[in-house]
Amino acid sequence: SQKIEQNSEALNIQEGKTATLTCNYTNYSPAYLQWYRQDPGRGPVFLLLIRENEKEKRKERLKVTFDTTLKQSLFHITASQPADSATYLCALDIDTGRRALTFGSGTRLQVQP
Amino acid sequence: DAGITQSPRYKITETGRQVTLMCHQTWSHSYMFWYRQDLGHGLRLIYYSAAADITDKGEVPDGYVVSRSKTENFPLTLESATRSQTSVYFCASSDSGRNQRNIQYFGAGTRLSVL
Repeated sequence: SQKIEQNSEALNIQEGKTATLTCNYTNYSPAYLQWYRQDPGRGPVFLLLIRENEKEKRKERLKVTFDTTLKQSLFHITASQPADSATYLCALDIDTGRRALTFGSGTRLQVQP
Repeated sequence: DAGITQSPRYKITETGRQVTLMCHQTWSHSYMFWYRQDLGHGLRLIYYSAAADITDKGEVPDGYVVSRSKTENFPLTLESATRSQTSVYFCASSDSGRNQRNIQYFGAGTRLSVL
């Protein structure tokens, strides 16, 4: 069956450290993969998009990797800050023509000051 | 720059009642989507629309009806609400341009409780 897995347990790290979140998927062949941030009581907000032929994408303190062989994406936040505390969702774009995304259930990140 | 707005933000209703959740976007995006978010399930697609008067089912469409007579509006109706439809509902929109590559813009959500 098709599945997207994100660590359901919250990730707690100290301010200034690098946070690494994982997104694993099975039985999908996504052309693109996206990461979103969701704060409590709000809708998800787009952060980064990476294509299947790209290994790595960066935006300021954020970095995403995409390994289609391992079927895994890693999302890194360097020099993390308490304001980075949120839930992070990965989403697969499997290019069915529907333009809908398939979301993981998200990982909650808590950055301690 | 209103973006995408959902109303109401909170709604309590009883089983068997009809409920309509509203979604309005100001960008003239072609694509619009309705998702529900439940603990442990993430976001699941209910319905989507590629343009005015074009709608199609997503992963969990049973018990829901949508319409899209105008590009900017995409209401979601629960014809006869059930307790299992208690959830947080998100509307999203997406530009049809190739460069946007399905990046979705979400509303703030409607928290619905069915008693």
